[in-house]
Amino acid sequence: DTGVSQDPRHKITKRGQNVTFRCDPISEHNRLYWYRQTLGQGPEFLTYFQNEAQLEKSRLLSDRFSAERPKGSFSTLEIQRTEQGDSAMYLCASSPPGIPGYEQYFGPGTRLTVT
Amino acid sequence: GQQVMQIPQYQHVQEGEDFTTYCNSSTTLSNIQWYKQRPGGHPVFLIQLVKSGEVKKQKRLTFQFGEAKKNSSLHITATQTTDVGTYFCAGTATGGSYIPTFGRGTSLIVHP
Repeated sequence: DTGVSQDPRHKITKRGQNVTFRCDPISEHNRLYWYRQTLGQGPEFLTYFQNEAQLEKSRLLSDRFSAERPKGSFSTLEIQRTEQGDSAMYLCASSPPGIPGYEQYFGPGTRLTVT
Repeated sequence: GQQVMQIPQYQHVQEGEDFTTYCNSSTTLSNIQWYKQRPGGHPVFLIQLVKSGEVKKQKRLTFQFGEAKKNSSLHITATQTTDVGTYFCAGTATGGSYIPTFGRGTSLIVHP
């Protein structure tokens, strides 16, 4: 069990640029989540995959955000035309199959700074 | 929408004192999880509670899930400096969802 990994760990970009983050979940975990966290707040849900299917997406999520999990393994999160308000820590988490299966294992996160 | 509130936001204690954080949901939960996030780190899963009135212990940590499944608490006995961090609860609403709502967390500061 190598844990959840995320790449890159840090990203600095200029406003208006596109960025893409990658998440590799724990290998046997079929559920994958993306969250955004800002200072002093808990993780805010962005989107959720079960295997390769994107089952839920936050209503607060701008259409500039898109996520994929093409083969039910790794996932990518893309932000188009970044804005300064997108600066945050982007966390990926995975959960195992089975019951109850609500526990989530987080990766180290990608810290995005939009200048 | 579902809201999960945690109090207090911050707690300063002297090493050896006890600590409790409380979590309240606006809706009935199917389960609740607790996570710990060290400064500069990511959330680490501690425990999940599923049954009404459930109590679970992990060494000096005691977790409770309310009878109505709308509140929970985490109690740490005799805090140590290694307990420093932010403790989050995350509740999942009833109805088969796998999407938790996180509270804002309680930051624990332990003074040696």
